[in-house]
Amino acid sequence: EDQVTQSPEALRLQEGESSSLNCSYTVSGLRGLFWYRQDPGKGPEFLFTLYSAGEEKEKERLKATLTKKESFLHITAPKPEDSATYLCAVQALYNSGGSNYKLTFGKGTLLTVNP
Amino acid sequence: DTGVSQNPRHKITKRGQNVTFRCDPISEHNRLYWYRQTLGQGPEFLTYFQNEAQLEKSRLLSDRFSAERPKGSFSTLEIQRTEQGDSAMYLCASSLRQGAIDEQYFGPGTRLTVT
Repeated sequence: EDQVTQSPEALRLQEGESSSLNCSYTVSGLRGLFWYRQDPGKGPEFLFTLYSAGEEKEKERLKATLTKKESFLHITAPKPEDSATYLCAVQALYNSGGSNYKLTFGKGTLLTVNP
Repeated sequence: DTGVSQNPRHKITKRGQNVTFRCDPISEHNRLYWYRQTLGQGPEFLTYFQNEAQLEKSRLLSDRFSAERPKGSFSTLEIQRTEQGDSAMYLCASSLRQGAIDEQYFGPGTRLTVT
């Protein structure tokens, strides 16, 4: 069964203090790894998709990287508006008895950036 | 607004009552997904449609739950004889698969509270 583990569960940063969030995964063949941002009471907002080890994507202060076992979301010089829960999810190539398109999510990392 | 929309945004119901939620996907998207999210957890897959066909249902989806997507457009999720354990955020997502890409975009969710 596909599994996604995110760490840390919560992270507090000062504005401008760069850091990284971790997403470790176990999947029977990776179709894609996805990062989402979720604000309280709202649906997840799509950030990135990564497909193969070594791939990197950037958006403003965020950079996502992928290896064969984990992904990192690097946050450079964060601002208070970056405070949110960041979710990681995987989509498997093979899924015995089911579809290959469902996303399996981790529990998320709650990021708080203090001014 | 061309994103995924969900109605209602909030629903409070008494145990034993039936509830129905609606999801309108992004117009050109042919895949539609339902997920459920409880506090402190990532979204969990419930079911998915390709056009009007329901192609997978999770073990989480008991026989009290039913989903439809008539004519491959909007979708409804009905919960019969609600229980307190059904209290959660119900999220809808849609995607348009292009080659290997299947990026899912989420709606704002429907928050269900069963009293």
